[in-house]
Amino acid sequence: NAGVTQTPKFQVLKTGQSMTLQCAQDMNHNSMYWYRQDPGMGLRLIYYSASEGTTDKGEVPNGYNVSRLNKREFSLRLESAAPSQTSVYFCASSSGTGIGNTIYFGEGSWLTVV
Amino acid sequence: GENVEQHPSTLSVQEGDSAVIKCTYSDSASNYFPWYKQELGKRPQLIIDIRSNVGEKKDQRIAVTLNKTAKHFSLHITETQPEDSAVYFCAASLTGGGNKLTFGTGTQLKVEL
Repeated sequence: NAGVTQTPKFQVLKTGQSMTLQCAQDMNHNSMYWYRQDPGMGLRLIYYSASEGTTDKGEVPNGYNVSRLNKREFSLRLESAAPSQTSVYFCASSSGTGIGNTIYFGEGSWLTVV
Repeated sequence: GENVEQHPSTLSVQEGDSAVIKCTYSDSASNYFPWYKQELGKRPQLIIDIRSNVGEKKDQRIAVTLNKTAKHFSLHITETQPEDSAVYFCAASLTGGGNKLTFGTGTQLKVEL
């Protein structure tokens, strides 16, 4: 039981390049999330998927797209990377969106855009 | 939307002392308040949470208190140990908000020997 697994762990991109961060969970969770973490700003929600087949914007969605491929997988795509997207990205999941459902995080993906 | 403020940003204590981290939230509809611990280079992990119908919750050396009227909640760590050194994040979730957490900016706790 690996929990939440995300790849790649480290990536360096040039401005304007595109890439996809992959995330998978093996806990049979319905809900999945993408957060970014920047120094001094905590974690901010980019997009989330309450259940398979649905996605919604979070606090900072601009410059990103997501795909809920199936119940297990939720990917985050940067179409044209910008230096402002240099950050640590965390995928997360929870059993549902009901209040109090514990959110479990992946190990993070360190992305640098030069 | 919800706004969560967290203080202090850094906290240094001697081993065995207590540590207190405080958070305030803006939306009175928030009713779930988890605390996450993040060690350097690792993922955030839930350490304790509290719902708005409870004023205090304790788990061994860790406790959380909630004051709904004042819209603030606090994390208390007693008998601190070096392994408590980490960044701690508070968060809040709105009723009907789809379990979306709004996080505070974090507190770097250092427990000195």
